[in-house]
Amino acid sequence: KAGVTQTPRYLIKTRGQQVTLSCSPISGHRSVSWYQQTPGQGLQFLFEYFSETQRNKGNFPGRFSGRQFSNSRSEMNVSTLELGDSALYLCASRGGGGLSGANVLTFGAGSRLTVL
Amino acid sequence: SQKIEQNSEALNIQEGKTATLTCNYTNYSPAYLQWYRQDPGRGPVFLLLIRENEKEKRKERLKVTFDTTLKQSLFHITASQPADSATYLCEISGGYNKLIFGAGTRLAVHP
Repeated sequence: KAGVTQTPRYLIKTRGQQVTLSCSPISGHRSVSWYQQTPGQGLQFLFEYFSETQRNKGNFPGRFSGRQFSNSRSEMNVSTLELGDSALYLCASRGGGGLSGANVLTFGAGSRLTVL
Repeated sequence: SQKIEQNSEALNIQEGKTATLTCNYTNYSPAYLQWYRQDPGRGPVFLLLIRENEKEKRKERLKVTFDTTLKQSLFHITASQPADSATYLCEISGGYNKLIFGAGTRLAVHP
């Protein structure tokens, strides 16, 4: 079955602009989570959505927001971009069945954002 | 605060040797611990999951141990190959919504 698809793969923005990233989870997966990855900080949890509801949120400013649609596709938005927002943004989905499957994440390839 | 630490220095080993990566955590009691592999420019890929009541889990050349007393997991790759070169991440899960990753350890296997 198809994996997690993220678009766009690469994008360049300037400070002050806003950006929207998209994620299509594995078919049947209802949980989608977002992570920011930078060389210095590693993988930082942004938020998780389940059935269109934000279920958990990391320690990021309000400029970072997200949503999930009824088909489980998710978007995240970053407003008023700063240089420090340059990072690889990863989306992951997970299924809900079984002890082993419940917590295993399947990641997309990521969206590489560069802020100039 | 809850913290998860992995060797920040890259690990360089010779082909054929066993690579051992460490994951330590504090202020947490995870129900599961998982290891992922990440190649440059790609998302992490799940490798192994070990539960808190399991001491060891194996999959082909991979072995993971989980010591809840030491709050530590060790990840071993036996008979390492250059293709094993990547960054390896550990992640702890405890409670359905709580997922915390370490920063990862870069492994380089030299021919």
